[in-house]
Amino acid sequence: KQEVTQIPAALSVPEGENLVLNCSFTDSAIYNLQWFRQDPGKGLTSLLLIQSSQREQTSGRLNASLDKSSGRSTLYIAASQPGDSATYLCAVSAGNTPLVFGKGTRLSVIA
Amino acid sequence: GAVVSQHPSRVICKSGTSVKIECRSLDFQATTMFWYRQFPKKSLMLMATSNEGSKATYEQGVEKDKFLINHASLTLSTLTVTSAHPEDSSFYICSVYTTGANYGYTFGSGTRLTVV
Repeated sequence: KQEVTQIPAALSVPEGENLVLNCSFTDSAIYNLQWFRQDPGKGLTSLLLIQSSQREQTSGRLNASLDKSSGRSTLYIAASQPGDSATYLCAVSAGNTPLVFGKGTRLSVIA
Repeated sequence: GAVVSQHPSRVICKSGTSVKIECRSLDFQATTMFWYRQFPKKSLMLMATSNEGSKATYEQGVEKDKFLINHASLTLSTLTVTSAHPEDSSFYICSVYTTGANYGYTFGSGTRLTVV
């Protein structure tokens, strides 16, 4: 059974700092890995999707990497801003199958 | 990805009543939709996979008679919480997997259900 773990569970940083969120998964037989952002009481916004054949994806200040063999992914946020404060969720799937989510990392960026 | 509309965003109901939540795929014909539940400060847990024109597939521990799922068209899936109980209070969210150039999972905005 696939299990996804995210570390740290919570993180508080000053504005402008670069930061890394970690995600690990137990079964490396994934089709893709997706990072989401969730604001309190809201739905999920997709940030980046990495196919199993890819090693990284970038969007603006965000960069996600994937090491499928070791079961790890990182989300790098450059020059963090207070507006980045949210919960970041990592999820994996084996194709057109339900996503398996980690518990998320709650990020607070302090102005 | 697709545009997914979920309604209502918030609902408060009395114990014993039923509540219907709608999930619409506005620009993609979804043969499959997924329903998740999220408890406070917890991750999303898959409840069921909704299949267009056939019965939903429920995850272990999810009562199919309590959480009725109907996927009557390629753009609409509904989740009905029957005989609601305070323990059913939670955040419910649907998802669509889209193929093509912008493939991936897209989520609705979620429904906050409070049973009083």
